[in-house]
Amino acid sequence: GAGVSQSPSNKVTEKGKDVELRCDPISGHTALYWYRQSLGQGLEFLIYFQGNSAPDKSGLPSDRFSAERTGGSVSTLTIQRTQQEDSAVYLCASSHGDRGTGNTIYFGEGSWLTVV
Amino acid sequence: DAKTTQPPSMDCAEGRAANLPCNHSTISGNEYVYWYRQIHSQGPQYIIHGLKNNETNEMASLIITEDRKSSTLILPHATLRDTAVYYCIVRPSGIKAAGNKLTFGGGTRVLVKP
Repeated sequence: GAGVSQSPSNKVTEKGKDVELRCDPISGHTALYWYRQSLGQGLEFLIYFQGNSAPDKSGLPSDRFSAERTGGSVSTLTIQRTQQEDSAVYLCASSHGDRGTGNTIYFGEGSWLTVV
Repeated sequence: DAKTTQPPSMDCAEGRAANLPCNHSTISGNEYVYWYRQIHSQGPQYIIHGLKNNETNEMASLIITEDRKSSTLILPHATLRDTAVYYCIVRPSGIKAAGNKLTFGGGTRVLVKP
């Protein structure tokens, strides 16, 4: 597709279960970002991937959160043993990572996670 | 360590121009000014960005002061669908810029009224 694609768009899970959220970046984009946004709050950076470089995991809130990016394209964000405070919309974004200027970041529509 | 300052909210009339200010007094020479907006329940939408020259696209115009310490986003003819939170963000350019994730502040909550 033309934009960043995320799935599922909505997920309700029970406390303690693991969840996986998927992101398909824009074709050709080498940089991929995950953010989350709790209800009524601002956007919080989670993790960043650029090509084959080690990811910037500085925003992950706990070791229950992890992310992978296979083949430099699709990424999966995994939350283990979900807690109610994990309820949020999880946003994926991508950009060209190898251009001198104008590495504009484009966002997907997000995956809404509700932990009950 | 917010790099930008925006008014928390503003109203504007449908059909009129909306002028959204942003202060970025500590901006560095290699930092671009980016504007995004987030309409309720949607992902942030890119609007425009610039370095030092004024920029215009199909959505908006960006006016950057000569000293680059502030800028204004102009929506030329606001519609009800422009109601959203607007974020002004500074971000370095350059090959390594992609590693400089966007840091979102509180933004300006814009309400377009009929």
